[in-house]
Amino acid sequence: QQQVKQSPQSLIVQKGGISIINCAYENTAFDYFPWYQQFPGKGPALLIAIRPDVSEKKEGRFTISFNKSAKQFSLHIMDSQPGDSATYFCAASSTNAGKSTFGDGTTLTVKP
Amino acid sequence: KAGVTQTPRYLIKTRGQQVTLSCSPISGHRSVSWYQQTPGQGLQFLFEYFSETQRNKGNFPGRFSGRQFSNSRSEMNVSTLELGDSALYLCASSPRQGFNGELFFGEGSRLTVL
Repeated sequence: QQQVKQSPQSLIVQKGGISIINCAYENTAFDYFPWYQQFPGKGPALLIAIRPDVSEKKEGRFTISFNKSAKQFSLHIMDSQPGDSATYFCAASSTNAGKSTFGDGTTLTVKP
Repeated sequence: KAGVTQTPRYLIKTRGQQVTLSCSPISGHRSVSWYQQTPGQGLQFLFEYFSETQRNKGNFPGRFSGRQFSNSRSEMNVSTLELGDSALYLCASSPRQGFNGELFFGEGSRLTVL
């Protein structure tokens, strides 16, 4: 049973555009929602994260929007750059259980 | 501050063999988790260790095992390798007193089983 559903699977955006990736979760025991960025040949790197008592968090060009009632959250990348081309994973973490459940990933391509 | 270090980075084994992968967490991090990454299954949780104790285990067969040492370094072992075990094995550490939802990953150990 997939507990975190991520969409789209792939995304192509023009330089300067907005990239939007969506995730939905099922288990209400999740209490932390990080996003990771992964470049080929590298491990995932923590990008930005949010707690469920906050509806939005912004760090530079990256913003997480969180809708607790709908059990959905999304990553917005403003002014997308070719260097943002990577695979992005959302995750839902249970700090009590000591584990994170990941979405399937979104491959973002930003065209110059 | 050095990141998470995993060794070896690449290895090739044949079916039936066993393999041991090593992970050194970020200094001061006491929680270490292991994940398997494959194109078909994505990132799957293997297990999490804190203070030398396995606190949680994912849905993997008993051929997958791990341990953590007193210096927080961790190893995972896969016995009787199968073709389907070919994957990138990622180790991640977490700060503070244990897992807080944030994972700091190493670059992984890419295992190919022939």
